[in-house]
Amino acid sequence: GENVEQHPSTLSVQEGDSAVIKCTYSDSASNYFPWYKQELGKGPQLIIDIRSNVGEKKDQRIAVTLNKTAKHFSLHITETQPEDSAVYFCAASRDSGGYQKVTFGTGTKLQVIP
Amino acid sequence: EAQVTQNPRYLITVTGKKLTVTCSQNMNHEYMSWYRQDPGLGLRQIYYSMNVEVTDKGDVPEGYKVSRKEKRNFPLILESPSPNQTSLYFCASSSRQLFNSPLHFGNGTRLTVT
Repeated sequence: GENVEQHPSTLSVQEGDSAVIKCTYSDSASNYFPWYKQELGKGPQLIIDIRSNVGEKKDQRIAVTLNKTAKHFSLHITETQPEDSAVYFCAASRDSGGYQKVTFGTGTKLQVIP
Repeated sequence: EAQVTQNPRYLITVTGKKLTVTCSQNMNHEYMSWYRQDPGLGLRQIYYSMNVEVTDKGDVPEGYKVSRKEKRNFPLILESPSPNQTSLYFCASSSRQLFNSPLHFGNGTRLTVT
């Protein structure tokens, strides 16, 4: 089955700096890569996603890049703010018997220091 | 407001005492799923449902049951809880899962089994 590795597990940055979280996946059939943000006491919430036919996607301060050949994708947050502090999960998704099988990474706890 | 609602938010129980965690969504989503979140392990799928009366095992189904008698509800049942089921549980739903739709999560249920 699919295996998604996520690094680092914790990340501390100064406010205004950039943060990068990296994930690798094993199944070349994976074709959808969402990123979720989990704030304290809440469930994960989608912040950005990318499909396998796209190499990069940007939404304001957040961007995701995908390298299908190397099977890795990354989340980039620029000009970090204290409200960016949260746990971030990457995921890889593929069609599996009529539904999308989603495999999550182990999470990155991001702390933005004011 | 579109949402996935789980109850209770916190639950402390003893080994062997049957319990049910409820999940309801108001988005008319066909697909619903249960995950457990454990430190260092990310989110692991327990059970999922493609539609009413259609359920299937995820990656860690042992010790759990589910039912899908109505489209909006997807309860998680632990018939004989054990301490290794102490975890943070999330219910999620999605529309048109076949087409890479993102998951919408509830706010979680923290279960402690003593």
